[in-house]
Amino acid sequence: DTGVSQDPRHKITKRGQNVTFRCDPISEHNRLYWYRQTLGQGPEFLTYFQNEAQLEKSRLLSDRFSAERPKGSFSTLEIQRTEQGDSAMYLCASSFGQPEPQHFGDGTRLSIL
Amino acid sequence: GESVGLHLPTLSVQEGDNSIINCAYSNSASDYFIWYKQESGKGPQFIIDIRSNMDKRQGQRVTVLLNKTVKHLSLQIAATQPGDSAVYFCAENERGKLIFGQGTELSVKP
Repeated sequence: DTGVSQDPRHKITKRGQNVTFRCDPISEHNRLYWYRQTLGQGPEFLTYFQNEAQLEKSRLLSDRFSAERPKGSFSTLEIQRTEQGDSAMYLCASSFGQPEPQHFGDGTRLSIL
Repeated sequence: GESVGLHLPTLSVQEGDNSIINCAYSNSASDYFIWYKQESGKGPQFIIDIRSNMDKRQGQRVTVLLNKTVKHLSLQIAATQPGDSAVYFCAENERGKLIFGQGTELSVKP
């Protein structure tokens, strides 16, 4: 399967801890996106990269959130000092340019105790 | 701000019937739209897309219709099957990022 891969699939952590998620996009895709989804809602845009450049960040992405895509391939999303409100599904998607279909991974479900 | 929304939160159909899922969008400048299917515990799965220079596009058992006059998008699924049961989202492209609606849950009765 050469789709978008996310790791871990589930993360349970205590409030105040730091967490990091990884996304491996489809190999030829130059754009990589992060979204957050809460129960019963559609995904909400967080940030995206074109190659290694981070081109846009949502106002949802507070200072506790940081994303990187150092070599223009995989990406990491880190949340520092996690809060209860960070509990959600974090989805990664990739595309070959835009406007082109964004293909999603199965997400990382974060639960804050 | 601009948003994409769905008319019906739930839709129940009989197996073999056709399904129609509707979506309203508010940004008249939007030029690209996508329909996704999301099953429980999985990420959104691309179904079909349409650009604003088209009013209809067909795929395998699915058709998307775009009415720019009333800013309305619909997804038609022919001969709905139990495997089609899922939540369906329409999404609007805004400078490369997708703006999603709330979703419609499709339930297929055998």
